[in-house]
This record gives sequence, C-alpha cells and structure tokens, in this order.
Amino acid sequence: DTAVSQTPKYLVTQMGNDKSIKCEQNLGHDTMYWYKQDSKKFLKIMFSYNNKELIINETVPNRFSPKSPDKAHLNLHINSLELGDSAVYFCASSPPPYFGPGTRLLVL
Amino acid sequence: QKEVEQDPGPLSVPEGAIVSLNCTYSNSAFQYFMWYRQYSRKGPELLMYTYSSGNKEDGRFTAQVDKSSKYISLFIRDSQPSDSATYLCAMIKGAGSYQLTFGKGTKLSVIP
Repeated sequence: DTAVSQTPKYLVTQMGNDKSIKCEQNLGHDTMYWYKQDSKKFLKIMFSYNNKELIINETVPNRFSPKSPDKAHLNLHINSLELGDSAVYFCASSPPPYFGPGTRLLVL
Repeated sequence: QKEVEQDPGPLSVPEGAIVSLNCTYSNSAFQYFMWYRQYSRKGPELLMYTYSSGNKEDGRFTAQVDKSSKYISLFIRDSQPSDSATYLCAMIKGAGSYQLTFGKGTKLSVIP
C-alpha cells in the first residue's frame, strides 16, 4: 500500500505549457511538502502545507502554485513552463517525513 | 557556512565492510534527525528517525546523534551490494517546525 503517491511519474512537455502534478498520502499526516531535486541531486524545499494551510513558501517563481484541497492531497500547478523547470519533483508528508516516488519533469 | 554539511563522496567499500556516514550541523536548534537512502531514479526512503542524543539500531543500521558536537552518523554493518545508493541526512528544528534541511548526500558503492 503506497504511503505517498504522485502522478504522473514522468512529464515531458514544451516550453510555455501549463502542467499539474498530483500528490496523495494515506498516512493521516497533517503536513505535506513539495521538494525539487536538481541535476546535482540536492533536495530543496518549495512549499509546505499544514492542515491545508500554507506554512512554507520558499523563493519559488509565482508560476508555481500549490493547492491543498484536503489534508491528504497537495497538488502542484506550474504555468508557462521554462527549460530551467526540468527537474525531479518530490511530494512528502510528515511526521515523520516520507517521500513519494517523484515526478520527472522534462521541458523541451 | 552551510547549516548541514555532508561529504558527497563517492565512497566505495568491499562487501561485508562496516560503513560510516556522517553529517555535521551548525545550528543547535535542530532537534530531529533523519537518514534517507535514495536509489537512482527513486524517491528518498526513510531509514532512521531519531530525536535524542545516543544510538538507535534497526537491523544492520545504527544511527548515532551527538548534539554536543553537532554530529550525526549512520553505520551500516555487513554492507551488501544492495546498499549501494545515495545516503542523505536531514534535520528538523523542532516541534512546530516543518522544514527539513538536507545534506547534499553521500554516494555509496558496495563492491561484491
């Protein structure tokens, strides 16, 4: 039974498009996160939600908009995709922090 | 100075060796400490989650926290080729804090 799941697993799209990544957790956790892992494998926090409220919003372009419809879901919408957005995006929930399998985004 | 320092390696050991992975941190506000294992093209997998100073053991894995020295370690006994992965330390600043701060990860290869 998957604890933190993300869809899609892979996303290949053109510059300028808008895309969404969905995340769901079945652990009953109150806190959910989005992390970005760059080509050097460093994990950097983007957003954190606690009980559907935005807690952490790091310096992320406002083209990225998270949305938490309920405690078990945290989706990430990205507008006007740019080449530099290509990375692996991980959803996580806590405590303790468990990560999803990641969404590999490639912007062409 | 980065808040969490971790030697990126790579670290290469023979099968059966004891592996020692380490992180240092500069902020004494960190209270919760985690070790993750990440295989290539997979998500980080939580291995150990500790709060207090001291040792915590789980199978072949032992996590050690020394808050006075701001130093944490992960030991892997009887290392196996399947342990080959990147190991990440991560820390949280305490109850009410939601942000994990990660080390850069150490890439480990266990050679058969």
